[in-house]
Amino acid sequence: KAGVTQTPRYLIKTRGQQVTLSCSPISGHRSVSWYQQTPGQGLQFLFEYFSETQRNKGNFPGRFSGRQFSNSRSEMNVSTLELGDSALYLCASSLSGAVYIEAFFGQGTRLTVV
Amino acid sequence: AQTVTQSQPEMSVQEAETVTLSCTYDTSESDYYLFWYKQPPSRQMILVIRQEAYKQQNATENRFSVNFQKAAKSFSLKISDSQLGDAAMYFCAYRSNSGAGSYQLTFGKGTKLSVIP
Repeated sequence: KAGVTQTPRYLIKTRGQQVTLSCSPISGHRSVSWYQQTPGQGLQFLFEYFSETQRNKGNFPGRFSGRQFSNSRSEMNVSTLELGDSALYLCASSLSGAVYIEAFFGQGTRLTVV
Repeated sequence: AQTVTQSQPEMSVQEAETVTLSCTYDTSESDYYLFWYKQPPSRQMILVIRQEAYKQQNATENRFSVNFQKAAKSFSLKISDSQLGDAAMYFCAYRSNSGAGSYQLTFGKGTKLSVIP
């Protein structure tokens, strides 16, 4: 069974540009969550999508947005990039429902803003 | 809001020895889950062990076990017979069991574990 796939693995962008990251969940998983990991702030929750709807959102500015498609694949977009957006962005997928408590993570996308 | 605290930024252990990583959390909820995740240099977060708050029995997975003290809001990870492959960042994480099934993890800042041959 294929794991969570994130593309691209590495990305370098210029301040002010926008970027789109992609996440393909494990087959059958309908919940996709995104996290930002930085040395200073650690791992912070961005948002969660389920059945194409944003179900939960963390405390990030509106420049961070996402969406989910009917096949559960998810994209995350960051507009007007700032140097502080440099981070490892992790995606996690899970089966929905309280009995399914494990989230499976991808290998992340390393975004560098210069 | 829930918070998770890992007070040991770095730890080291001799190969084959035992090490315990600490984690405390703060919540007003009674129904939740706790996890330990491992993040090796490959960056992929791997679930090590999980604990349901309603279970009094401490979870174990082979060489990994937890000491879950619900009243004290403490959730430590014990690694027995440490191996070189255990070297990684370890994150303690909390998930609420409320919110209509919404999946959101709150992480501690992590503990970097080094294993000395």
